[in-house]
Amino acid sequence: NAGVTQTPKFQVLKTGQSMTLQCAQDMNHEYMSWYRQDPGMGLRLIHYSVGAGITDQGEVPNGYNVSRSTTEDFPLRLLSAAPSQTSVYFCASSWGTPGSALHFGNGTRLTVT
Amino acid sequence: AQKITQTQPGMFVQEKEAVTLDCTYDTSDPSYGLFWYKQPSSGEMIFLIYQGSYDQQNATEGRYSLNFQKARKSANLVISASQLGDSAMYFCAMREAVFLIQGAQKLVFGQGTRLTINP
Repeated sequence: NAGVTQTPKFQVLKTGQSMTLQCAQDMNHEYMSWYRQDPGMGLRLIHYSVGAGITDQGEVPNGYNVSRSTTEDFPLRLLSAAPSQTSVYFCASSWGTPGSALHFGNGTRLTVT
Repeated sequence: AQKITQTQPGMFVQEKEAVTLDCTYDTSDPSYGLFWYKQPSSGEMIFLIYQGSYDQQNATEGRYSLNFQKARKSANLVISASQLGDSAMYFCAMREAVFLIQGAQKLVFGQGTRLTINP
């Protein structure tokens, strides 16, 4: 049971570089989302998707881009990395029913220098 | 805007004691859901328990129970007979009302409580 798989686990970028964080789930969940976790701030929603071809912004979308071409995959793109984007990133998925819990990936620790 | 407040940055409890982690929430929507997650030092997020706003009874899952007081807008997590493995960060989260429109499980998280169980 793979669940939600995130790659890479660790990444170091220089300011201005771009990269894509990968997320894949094998549970056929309609809903997928990206969160970032910063010390003392809990998790904050970046972008989310309710199905293939449908995405929307969360609380902190600036500097990030997403697309969802398949049910399984939901990549997060950093367009031009900034030190403020140093964080731990979590991908999560769930069914679109009331009591469904979010299933989280193991996270990607990103450092921007 | 919906908000979750966890007022206990850290708690220290003796093994085998019960512990209550506080969570208060703020919303004007009549339909919402409340979740608790555990984050061990290894970093993964583990779902513990869920309470819907219309659920008549408090949710329970093994040693975890949710003390849901709707009028006070609180959803405290109770862990009975704590174990060393319960040492972790605990997050309370609320599902935003947009779920009813889109099926989007948009969660708003509190800042977390770090629980340490002493032997």
